[in-house]
Amino acid sequence: DIQMTQSPSSLSASVGDRVTITCRASQGITNDLGWYQQKPGKAPKRLIYAASSLQSGVPSRFSGSGSGTEFTLTISSLQPEDFATYFCLQHNSYPRTFGGGTKVEIK
Amino acid sequence: QVQLQESGPGLVKPSETLSLTCTVSGGSITNYYWSWMRQPPGKGLEWIGFIYSSGNTNYNPSLESRVTISVDTSNNNFSLKLSSVTDTDTAVYYCARSGSYTGTFDSWGQGTLVTVSS
Repeated sequence: DIQMTQSPSSLSASVGDRVTITCRASQGITNDLGWYQQKPGKAPKRLIYAASSLQSGVPSRFSGSGSGTEFTLTISSLQPEDFATYFCLQHNSYPRTFGGGTKVEIK
Repeated sequence: QVQLQESGPGLVKPSETLSLTCTVSGGSITNYYWSWMRQPPGKGLEWIGFIYSSGNTNYNPSLESRVTISVDTSNNNFSLKLSSVTDTDTAVYYCARSGSYTGTFDSWGQGTLVTVSS
């Protein structure tokens, strides 16, 4: 199985801050990675697919980058509605595997 | 816009079979891949398996011996059965859709908590 190591597991930030979250794959997955936002009691929402493609309807302050084994999700200017948990998913091979999640909290 | 909704018992006894259904609305179940995931309290997500609308399946080897996923195209839903449950199977269970064998999940249900306890 491909292991996805996500960091940090949590962070505190203020509105307007730039936030970066990283996922590392235990082996190369080309660009087969998605990023999701999850709020309590709600369905996870896809933000990024194919490592860097922005899902339709998602604000442009979200961006993804990377290829191979290292990937990042960046929120360029954190907004109040962005406080949530974020996780990555590799879809290069089965079984699908996830990063452990990053909880973004208000400082 | 497609919506997914999980349903089923919130409490299952140890050694029994967990059964959940995911109902798809706002779109057809045909020509898509439908997955189940779970997230134990305080832990990360685990992919359980998928079914294609034709009935082809692929399961996580870690659970394969206990899992069955089936599809009911006439009622636009698909189901999960997990046998011989223990307390380690306590989790929030999610269903999700992907558009291709190689794709990510573009739509998810909001999840349902299943507790295994006597």
